Amino acid sequence: GAGVSQTPSNKVTEKGKYVELRCDPISGHTALYWYRQSLGQGPEFLIYFQGTGAADDSGLPNDRFFAVRPEGSVSTLKIQRTERGDSAVYLCASSFEGANVLTFGAGSRLTVL
Amino acid sequence: SQQGEEDPQALSIQEGENATMNCSYKTSINNLQWYRQNSGRGLVHLILIRSNEREKHSGRLRVTLDTSKKSSSLLITASRAADTASYFCAFPVGGYNKLIFGAGTRLAVHP
Repeated sequence: GAGVSQTPSNKVTEKGKYVELRCDPISGHTALYWYRQSLGQGPEFLIYFQGTGAADDSGLPNDRFFAVRPEGSVSTLKIQRTERGDSAVYLCASSFEGANVLTFGAGSRLTVL
Repeated sequence: SQQGEEDPQALSIQEGENATMNCSYKTSINNLQWYRQNSGRGLVHLILIRSNEREKHSGRLRVTLDTSKKSSSLLITASRAADTASYFCAFPVGGYNKLIFGAGTRLAVHP
């Protein structure tokens, strides 16, 4: 597609539920990043994929968070047993390998009640 | 912390005035970037300045970089109401393009 697509744009769930957030990067972009942004803060790095593999998952806050990119394009961020503190906008970005600039999607706003 | 720091946190100006935002960082970098965000959603890349550059222009944007002070500034000249947004500095760490973002400056431009 022309840009990075993220679905859903908004997700409201109850505490304890399982959530999946999807990112469809720009075609041909091998690098994919997930960030989390809380209200009034800058984006916080979660995980980086180069192709199918997670090259750096040091930003995942705990083992309730997991991300996959099985075919090297679409990625899914999975959050188990959601907590109210998980409420944030989850941003996905992609780039060509070695490129300096990231292209961001519009984000998925997650609200945990 | 590797995170960049920005000031001011918020800036309110009138149309036509200039807006200056500052960013400081702690690590060695090979480039620094500025992004804009409207309404808390997707970020849009504005400009990149490399560590061997001191100043760069793009339209009404002017970015400076002082690697000895580990600081950068973004100047928006002749601001417009449409410039109202949050502005973030970001720099890569870790040997690839993992960007670390500052907390941002929220700019409000009043007609």
